[in-house]
Amino acid sequence: AQTVTQSQPEMSVQEAETVTLSCTYDTSESDYYLFWYKQPPSRQMILVIRQEAYKQQNATENRFSVNFQKAAKSFSLKISDSQLGDAAMYFCAYRRINTGTASKLTFGTGTRLQVTL
Amino acid sequence: DAGITQSPRHKVTETGTPVTLRCHQTENHRYMYWYRQDPGHGLRLIHYSYGVKDTDKGEVSDGYSVSRSKTEDFLLTLESATSSQTSVYFCAIQDHRGLSYNEQFFGPGTRLTVL
Repeated sequence: AQTVTQSQPEMSVQEAETVTLSCTYDTSESDYYLFWYKQPPSRQMILVIRQEAYKQQNATENRFSVNFQKAAKSFSLKISDSQLGDAAMYFCAYRRINTGTASKLTFGTGTRLQVTL
Repeated sequence: DAGITQSPRHKVTETGTPVTLRCHQTENHRYMYWYRQDPGHGLRLIHYSYGVKDTDKGEVSDGYSVSRSKTEDFLLTLESATSSQTSVYFCAIQDHRGLSYNEQFFGPGTRLTVL
């Protein structure tokens, strides 16, 4: 079974600084997807970034980027120029590649990010 | 906006009472999911559906049943609610078309408290 581990329950960053959230996973699959979701106090789950395991290039979305190390099964999220609106719970998630079928997400336990002035 | 609504948004009930949560989508997506979120566990899959009347169990399905009689509605039922089912419940839909094929979009969540 796949597992996702987020070892940092809480992190803090100053506004405008950079922070990296860690995620490791375990799988026997060679192709899969990895995701970072953001959950602000509103409770809404928001997709931040996605990485396909068969792509060597790290995904980037504006101030958000990932460091994907497939051999090490590591998938960290870097937030640059942190803003107060980045304060939220962040979840790392894994999903198998199952074209044409339903496929569940396996989530980590989350990292709560605090942004300070 | 992925066109997902959940009802009710909040509910308080008593142990032993049946409870039904509704997920409604307007996007005609084939796949729908129910997750629960608990501190220290992230989100865990309860049940999912891959079409009308086609459902299957997830990792924490005990005590829950689901039904999908129409594409747009996916119901989660707690036959006899217990305090361990106090949680936040999320519905998700999965697009099977176009560029967002791989993504699941989540509803706003339902906070259920079982006293």
